[in-house]
Amino acid sequence: KNEVEQSPQNLTAQEGEFITINCSYSVGISALHWLQQHPGGGIVSLFMLSSGKKKHGRLIATINIQEKHSSLHITASHPRDSAVYICAVNGNQFYFGTGTSLTVIP
Amino acid sequence: KAGVTQTPRYLIKTRGQQVTLSCSPISGHRSVSWYQQTPGQGLQFLFEYFSETQRNKGNFPGRFSGRQFSNSRSEMNVSTLELGDSALYLCASSPSPGGNTEAFFGQGTRLTVV
Repeated sequence: KNEVEQSPQNLTAQEGEFITINCSYSVGISALHWLQQHPGGGIVSLFMLSSGKKKHGRLIATINIQEKHSSLHITASHPRDSAVYICAVNGNQFYFGTGTSLTVIP
Repeated sequence: KAGVTQTPRYLIKTRGQQVTLSCSPISGHRSVSWYQQTPGQGLQFLFEYFSETQRNKGNFPGRFSGRQFSNSRSEMNVSTLELGDSALYLCASSPSPGGNTEAFFGQGTRLTVV
């Protein structure tokens, strides 16, 4: 059983579309992280959430602690957003989702 | 401010050998975590160090070990390498431990075991 489930696994969007990636988790956590990984391996931390909502540019992340669910939204998607997005939670250790591979087509 | 530096970037080793990977955190960060990423298992947590002490450990065999020095630089060691140890090994640094602060990742060390 995976402690963190992400959906969808793969996502293709047209440039400009609104994108949502979902993350559900089954363990008690103190924080949830959204990570972005580009080809070549480099990982960037996008958000760290313990409650509510955060916004950075065109990216918005929300978390519902009661429902153990988080979403990452990308508004006005752009080809440079193409990457793998990974949800990670900090419970008694770090658990990771399998990632969502996003491709944005011009 | 320099980012997280991992060395080497690429490494090829033979089964049965051992390997040491290095991670230099962002200046001022005292927490370093290590992760293994494989196509089959995705990202998995290896261990976390803070102030030279291992705070937490994932579900990996004892062949995987690590340490942290007084300057916060960390090394991880894998002994008796197996083919399945081929992976991208990532480290991340943060100001404090426990995953409640933003983490900054290095570019990773890609290890191939032949």
